[in-house]
Amino acid sequence: DAKTTQPPSMDCAEGRAANLPCNHSTISGNEYVYWYRQIHSQGPQYIIHGLKNNETNEMASLIITEDRKSSTLILPHATLRDTAVYYCIVRVNSNSGYALNFGKGTSLLVTP
Amino acid sequence: IAGITQAPTSQILAAGRRMTLRCTQDMRHNAMYWYRQDLGLGLRLIHYSNTAGTTGKGEVPDGYSVSRANTDDFPLTLASAVPSQTSVYFCASRRNRGGWNSPLHFGNGTRLTVT
Repeated sequence: DAKTTQPPSMDCAEGRAANLPCNHSTISGNEYVYWYRQIHSQGPQYIIHGLKNNETNEMASLIITEDRKSSTLILPHATLRDTAVYYCIVRVNSNSGYALNFGKGTSLLVTP
Repeated sequence: IAGITQAPTSQILAAGRRMTLRCTQDMRHNAMYWYRQDLGLGLRLIHYSNTAGTTGKGEVPDGYSVSRANTDDFPLTLASAVPSQTSVYFCASRRNRGGWNSPLHFGNGTRLTVT
């Protein structure tokens, strides 16, 4: 699986968009980009994933660059409850069943 | 409410003792996983199971064993606990058939302290 690089921490004001970057310069053509987050004392929670196209759901948007070497998770209107550690992972989408390997993530602090 | 249940929520264990962490899911997911989470190291995969009756080793399997007798349960056993196994343990599952992988669903973890 391709290695990912994320900033260790970021701040965001409540109500503003939070843009979390992720570099995955060694990503291969069949590897997907996944985002999870972990709120303190809870298990990780799935947010979104994509391959080439930008994706949007009720939680966030995922912007993947054309060369696929980086991506950005966007929380359009951050709230205090979005304070969490955000993990970017790249992984082949297959039936092999092998799990996603989580790195250290970005600790996002949303401030009032 | 469907999901993953882990037990116990927390445990203090004397070194050398045997301990089984329980994990049950009611979503009929075929694949299940055990992770440990340590400060500064993120989540690391211990063992996994693609389907009932099969298991595999993850990144940090030493000192742990698993079994998958049925779809719903995936217990993790520490045969002889050591202090370095002090950690928060997360169980996860997902559907892994039909040509695509669903996202991982996680339990809320077991906080284990080995003294």
